[in-house]
Amino acid sequence: ETGVTQSPTHLIKTRGQQVTLRCSSQSGHNTVSWYQQALGQGPQFIFQYYREEENGRGNFPPRFSGLQFPNYSSELNVNALELDDSALYLCASSSPGRDTQYFGPGTRLTVL
Amino acid sequence: GQQLNQSPQSMFIQEGEDVSMNCTSSSIFNTWLWYKQDPGEGPVLLIALYKAGELTSNGRLTAQFGITRKDSFLNISASIPSDVGIYFCAGPEFYGGSQGNLIFGKGTKLSVKP
Repeated sequence: ETGVTQSPTHLIKTRGQQVTLRCSSQSGHNTVSWYQQALGQGPQFIFQYYREEENGRGNFPPRFSGLQFPNYSSELNVNALELDDSALYLCASSSPGRDTQYFGPGTRLTVL
Repeated sequence: GQQLNQSPQSMFIQEGEDVSMNCTSSSIFNTWLWYKQDPGEGPVLLIALYKAGELTSNGRLTAQFGITRKDSFLNISASIPSDVGIYFCAGPEFYGGSQGNLIFGKGTKLSVKP
């Protein structure tokens, strides 16, 4: 059974640029959630995708957007990067109707 | 929104010691999840609890879902050096929140006693 994978591992961008992060869900899981984790904090929910549609959203601005593909993989896009967007971005997958989420290794984004 | 309060914030362990940490909330949760996170990596699920009063073990780890549904406890017996890391409790937002939102505590950091 393949776990949640994310790419890239690390990324450095400059303020104002755009970034795309990718996630492949664990086999058998069709729901993907994205979280932002700042240094020293717990993960904060960005949004969730189910059946290729946004299924819930946390307190993040519209410049954070996402996609889910028919194979359940997902992308997180962030436009107009700000310095405060520097964080570990985590993807988690789950089975439909189940609360338990399984996390990937994360993508470390640094905005200069 | 719902919040989870974890304690202690940090603790030092000596190999062989038992460790206890807890998580409390002013509102109820229907599921309690315990994760461990190593630096620069994603959280790894340790134990999932789905029923009030439930006591579940995973090797040297034991966790309990509080009867009031407002708290949970994690115990580690006979700690070893690889237990070092940050432990998070988490639960799905229940009242008026976005679907899929896991609420996380701020974590308990386990370090080796110098």
